[in-house]
Amino acid sequence: EDQVTQSPEALRLQEGESSSLNCSYTVSGLRGLFWYRQDPGKGPEFLFTLYSAGEEKEKERLKATLTKKESFLHITAPKPEDSATYLCAVQAGTALIFGKGTTLSVSS
Amino acid sequence: DVKVTQSSRYLVKRTGEKVFLECVQDMDHENMFWYRQDPGLGLRLIYFSYDVKMKEKGDIPEGYSVSREKKERFSLILESASTNQTSMYLCASSPGTVNYEQYFGPGTRLTVT
Repeated sequence: EDQVTQSPEALRLQEGESSSLNCSYTVSGLRGLFWYRQDPGKGPEFLFTLYSAGEEKEKERLKATLTKKESFLHITAPKPEDSATYLCAVQAGTALIFGKGTTLSVSS
Repeated sequence: DVKVTQSSRYLVKRTGEKVFLECVQDMDHENMFWYRQDPGLGLRLIYFSYDVKMKEKGDIPEGYSVSREKKERFSLILESASTNQTSMYLCASSPGTVNYEQYFGPGTRLTVT
């Protein structure tokens, strides 16, 4: 069964304290892994797509990496405005299977 | 920029009412999706459509139906609203077979009383 597990469920950081979020997946034939950011009361905002192991993508303080079994979202020197829920999803046919997300809180 | 709009941000309906949620995308995307999002359960797929007048059931289609008469518009219908359908409803669209990233609308917070 295709499955996506994200950890930790919640993460509290001080401003400038770098860390990583984990997304473990099991899927028969990965066709794409996606990261989204979701602010409270809003729809998810697309961040990255990764297609093959070893691939990396960067955007500002965020860097996503992919292995054969998991993906990491590295946050370097986070700021309070990075506080949000980060969702990971994998492609299964036309639809995406989402993890339950990691809620990140960054305090100044 | 891709834009996905939903007809209402907040909606309050009574048990037994027929409810229509509308979604429009402006990027000529083939695929459109309806999800519901609940605390602790994450995003769950209700229905999706890969072409006009075509639809496929997702993981939780019971109690819902959909309509796609035009490429840019995808409607979710709650035939007889129940309190367990109180949720955040999210619409998304994606291009055809090359890129699968989905672009989401702002969501509709539906409360059924």
